[in-house]
Amino acid sequence: KAGVTQTPRYLIKTRGQQVTLSCSPISGHRSVSWYQQTPGQGLQFLFEYFSETQRNKGNFPGRFSGRQFSNSRSEMNVSTLELGDSALYLCASSTGDRQETQYFGPGTRLLVL
Amino acid sequence: GQQVMQIPQYQHVQEGEDFTTYCNSSTTLSNIQWYKQRPGGHPVFLIQLVKSGEVKKQKRLTFQFGEAKKNSSLHITATQTTDVGTYFCAGRRGNTPLVFGKGTRLSVIA
Repeated sequence: KAGVTQTPRYLIKTRGQQVTLSCSPISGHRSVSWYQQTPGQGLQFLFEYFSETQRNKGNFPGRFSGRQFSNSRSEMNVSTLELGDSALYLCASSTGDRQETQYFGPGTRLLVL
Repeated sequence: GQQVMQIPQYQHVQEGEDFTTYCNSSTTLSNIQWYKQRPGGHPVFLIQLVKSGEVKKQKRLTFQFGEAKKNSSLHITATQTTDVGTYFCAGRRGNTPLVFGKGTRLSVIA
């Protein structure tokens, strides 16, 4: 089976712009979670989608949003980018069983200038 | 909210020495998972512990889940250069999302 794929892999934006990141889960997986990884804060949970519904949401401002499509692919959007949004954004998929492990994609490295 | 603390933040060892990282949760966990992230890579699942007092081994790696299900440890025997990376624990309580510790970055000096 192909692994989790994320596009784009690298992105440079300027403050105030918006960005959309994409994640394709492992075939058959219905749950997609998004994380922000920074050197200082580690891995922080953004949100989780299961069958097109947001199942959990982390403690991030409303500028961060996401959605999931019927084929389980997911996108996350960050509007009005700030310098502090520079990070590695990781997507992880699982079958949907809450106790299951997560399979991470390679991430999208976002740099905000 | 639920917090997961992990120590130490960094560990430098000579190849062949042992290594241990510790994970402590502010609340009782349903399960705990361990992940490894190589430099420049993404987290890769290592193991999940579910039962109180559970001990699991993977070759030179030994994972323990505390009796109270609030702490866990990962011990590596006789480290090798291939063990380099950051080790994360992640705990879950009920149906809440996984909460990750900040990780322990392991450096192995050959």
